Amino acid sequence: TQLLEQSPQFLSIQEGENLTVYCNSSSVFSSLQWYRQEPGEGPVLLVTVVTGGEVKKLKRLTFQFGDARKDSSLHITAAQPGDTGLYLCAGAWERGTSGTYKYIFGTGTRLKVLA
Amino acid sequence: GAGVSQTPSNKVTEKGKYVELRCDPISGHTALYWYRQSLGQGPEFLIYFQGTGAADDSGLPNDRFFAVRPEGSVSTLKIQRTERGDSAVYLCASSLTDRSTEAFFGQGTRLTVV
Repeated sequence: TQLLEQSPQFLSIQEGENLTVYCNSSSVFSSLQWYRQEPGEGPVLLVTVVTGGEVKKLKRLTFQFGDARKDSSLHITAAQPGDTGLYLCAGAWERGTSGTYKYIFGTGTRLKVLA
Repeated sequence: GAGVSQTPSNKVTEKGKYVELRCDPISGHTALYWYRQSLGQGPEFLIYFQGTGAADDSGLPNDRFFAVRPEGSVSTLKIQRTERGDSAVYLCASSLTDRSTEAFFGQGTRLTVV
């Protein structure tokens, strides 16, 4: 069974602080995605990382895929109240050799940024 | 449509009743996914369709849950003899094909079984 654990589960910080969210697994994933979800809404895709060691930046957000493709991190610089939300990682696990993927979601990190 | 649309947004039903949840994917998307999200948890995979066929239904928890997509577009998730433990947000997502790495989610249907 593929499991993705995220840490921390909850994070409350002041505006302007930096933070890192971690997504860990014992399984190797073909790719990994990060989503942000706001209350009453579905998850919105932020980024997909595919190659081990890959780093992608999205404004103040930096995403890294671990060398072994088992873990990932999301770093936010100078957090703002608008960053508040549930951050989810999702690992893509290939179904045999079909070329199709099953996405396993992590448990989520609930971030609150205080003004 | 412009995005994935799910109806109803909220559904309250009595234990033992039958419910149907509808998902209208993005026009042209051939792959459609159903997930269930309990409070404080990440989405849990239920079933996915490529076209009209259910390509993977390994996430359906039991035979009370069933989903169809008869014309390869709109999908309906059906739950028979609802139980209080079925209360959750049911999310639908679609992607261009089932080999796409990008999926787009609807806003979800919050199901409450009382």
